[in-house]
Order: sequence, then structure tokens, then C-alpha cells
Amino acid sequence: DAGVIQSPRHEVTEMGQEVTLRCKPISGHDYLFWYRQTMMRGLELLIYFNNNVPIDDSGMPEDRFSAKMPNASFSTLKIQPSEPRDSAVYFCASSSTGRHGEQFFGPGTRLTVL
Amino acid sequence: AQSVAQPEDQVNVAEGNPLTVKCTYSVSGNPYLFWYVQYPNRGLQFLLKYITGDNLVKGSYGFEAEFNKSQTSFHLKKPSALVSDSALYFCAVGEYGNKLVFGAGTILRVKS
Repeated sequence: DAGVIQSPRHEVTEMGQEVTLRCKPISGHDYLFWYRQTMMRGLELLIYFNNNVPIDDSGMPEDRFSAKMPNASFSTLKIQPSEPRDSAVYFCASSSTGRHGEQFFGPGTRLTVL
Repeated sequence: AQSVAQPEDQVNVAEGNPLTVKCTYSVSGNPYLFWYVQYPNRGLQFLLKYITGDNLVKGSYGFEAEFNKSQTSFHLKKPSALVSDSALYFCAVGEYGNKLVFGAGTILRVKS
């Protein structure tokens, strides 16, 4: 199994631009999580899906952030417009019912907003 | 709400010495507890979990953790530290819906 796949691995953009991060979960997993990691705030859960349906988006910082999961094998996290304070590493993770919450993380996308 | 606390920002240990990374939890009901490790520029990797049963849980890379209900602790341990164990370690507690609540993380530095 290839594990959780994220793209791009690095993204540098200018303030005001739209940014789209992509995630392919492990096949057969029915949960998908988006996290953000910064030095200041640590690891934050932004949103998670179960069977492609958003369950909890209380961690999404602002309306500038949106996430979708159109099918079981693909999810996007979009920031529009981006701001320098959005600079962080964004992780996607997936898990399956019955594993008591054990999550498998992707390698992350390092976002830099200039 | 479920929560975990990692009281140490950083733990320093000499190679070959035993290591302990501390975690305490606060939950309603029976806890599902986890340890993850993050190496530089990598995603988090699962080390071990406690669901039920034996209080001593063995995991990857020679790590183990002891669940202590009376002290509400789940400390990560290894008998003999390696320089390659240097990383960021996260304790987590399971919530509904496969959600995990993570601690702030503890940096482990193993010096040769």
C-alpha cells in the first residue's frame, strides 16, 4: 500500500492567491482528517470526514478555508484568499472504523504564503 | 471533553540510558490512548496504542507504554535509547468518530 498521498509537497504562493492541497487516503479507509501544524500552535485538527461527509469542521479557522471530499479516494483543502499567517505544514490522515482511532498520516504539504 | 497533557517540552537522555516521555490523560469512560512519533520533515507515525487488557503495551522500535489508571498516566518508555530515537513524540486520546486529541508534543533528544 502506498500510504496516504499528499500533493504538492511544497507550495509557495503570494498573499491573496488561492491554494489547493490534495489528499488521497489509504484505500478502504472511511475517515479522513486534515491537520495544520505550526511552531506556535502545534498540531490542530481542521476538519474530518466520515464516508465522504464532513463531521466536524469546528477547527477550520475562517471562511477562507474550505474542504471537500467528492469521493472515497480524494479530498481537497482550499484556502482563498491565502494570507501569510496560513503558512504551516498541512497533514492529511486516514483511518478505518474498527481500528480504535489509529490514524495514518501523509507526508504533509509545507505551505509558505509570502 | 477528552484531553492529554505532556508536561515536558523536551527530554534529554544519553544514548544507552532508559528514557521516559510522560503523558497524563483526562477522559470520561474508558480511554483509548496512543503514542505517535514525528521525525523531521515527516508525518506522524503510529507507535502503539492501549485499548484494553494488559497495562504494558509494546510497540514499534522497542518502545513500550504503561497504562496507569490510578495515576491517569500513559508514559512512553524504552530501556535503552538510541540517537535515532531523537524526534517529536505525541500522546493522544481517542474520541468519538475515530477522532484523536493530541498533546502538545515532547521533543526527545538522545545524545551520544
